[in-house]
Amino acid sequence: GENVEQHPSTLSVQEGDSAVIKCTYSDSASNYFPWYKQELGKRPQLIIDIRSNVGEKKDQRIAVTLNKTAKHFSLHITETQPEDSAVYFCAARKAGGGNKLTFGTGTQLKVEL
Amino acid sequence: EAGVTQFPSHSVIEKGQTVTLRCDPISGHDNLYWYRRVMGKEIKFLLHFVKESKQDESGMPNNRFLAERTGGTYSTLKVQPAELEDSGVYFCASSQVAGGPNEQFFGPGTRLTVL
Repeated sequence: GENVEQHPSTLSVQEGDSAVIKCTYSDSASNYFPWYKQELGKRPQLIIDIRSNVGEKKDQRIAVTLNKTAKHFSLHITETQPEDSAVYFCAARKAGGGNKLTFGTGTQLKVEL
Repeated sequence: EAGVTQFPSHSVIEKGQTVTLRCDPISGHDNLYWYRRVMGKEIKFLLHFVKESKQDESGMPNNRFLAERTGGTYSTLKVQPAELEDSGVYFCASSQVAGGPNEQFFGPGTRLTVL
């Protein structure tokens, strides 16, 4: 089955710096890659997603890149702010595999003042 | 619009007891999913309902877990008897019916602790 690895497990940056979280997936049939943000005590929320026919997608300070050949995708957050502090999960969905998502283990991002 | 709701938010039970978790999806969402996150690990898929039918239950760990969605609205996940390794956060998510991948909206989770 699909396996998603996520790195790093923790990431600490200074406010205003950039943060990058990387994920790799194993199944080349995966075609949809969402990123979820979970703030402390709250529910996971979708912040951005990318489909396999696109190499990059940007939404204000966040962007996601996808390299299908290498089977990895990354989340980029620029000009980080304290409210970006949260756990970020990457996930992959396999085409023809129903709608189930396979998640990475999460990255605890801390933005320090 | 109300989001996905889950009840209870926390549950502490003794090993061997039974616990039932409830999920109310977003109104009109035919797809309902259960996931679980064990301490520090990934959010792991348990099963997927389309309306009242189990579409995929490949992630259910064993027959101590029983999920139902009678009438295609809310869902329950029962663990009987509970074991220590069942501790974790149980998430429910829902999505609309659509061609191709569509956003899954998550509930706040139920934190289950088995002592």
